[in-house]
Amino acid sequence: DAKTTQPTSMDCAEGRAANLPCNHSTISGNEYVYWYRQIHSQGPQYIIHGLKNNETNEMASLIITEDRKSSTLILPHATLRDTAVYYCIVRGIQGAQKLVFGQGTRLTINP
Amino acid sequence: DAGITQSPRHKVTETGTPVTLRCHQTENHRYMYWYRQDPGHGLRLIHYSYGVKDTDKGEVSDGYSVSRSKTEDFLLTLESATSSQTSVYFCATEGLNYGYTFGSGTRLTVV
Repeated sequence: DAKTTQPTSMDCAEGRAANLPCNHSTISGNEYVYWYRQIHSQGPQYIIHGLKNNETNEMASLIITEDRKSSTLILPHATLRDTAVYYCIVRGIQGAQKLVFGQGTRLTINP
Repeated sequence: DAGITQSPRHKVTETGTPVTLRCHQTENHRYMYWYRQDPGHGLRLIHYSYGVKDTDKGEVSDGYSVSRSKTEDFLLTLESATSSQTSVYFCATEGLNYGYTFGSGTRLTVV
């Protein structure tokens, strides 16, 4: 699996958009970009994933650059409950494709 | 998450005793995974399963065994618990198009 690079920590004001970057310069053509988050001691939670087109769901938007070497997760109106560690992961989807977690970005939403 | 249950939620056991953690899913997902999470190491894959009786090792499988005799249950056994296996254990399943779903975790303390 390709490796990813994320900032260790970020801060964002409540109500503002939180933009979390991720670099994945060695991503393969058949690998997807996945985002998960982990709030305190809970199990990680799936947020969104994409291949090369931008994606949006009820939680977030995912912007993938044209060369697919980086992406940005956008939480459009961050709330205090969005404080969590956010993981960017790249992986294929054929067979048992294991998720390999890095250290992620610790996002703190400030009132 | 509804659909995946881990038991027990908390357990304290003595060094040298066998321990079995259970993961139960109701979604009929083919793939199931066991991770452990420790400070400074993040989430690491222990074992995974790609079907009934089909399992394979992850990156930290030493001292652990798994069994999957039916689709809905994936058991993780610590054959002889050691203090280094004190950790939080997460089970996950994988469905189509939305990535992994994690359980709430089992906090295991080996004394």
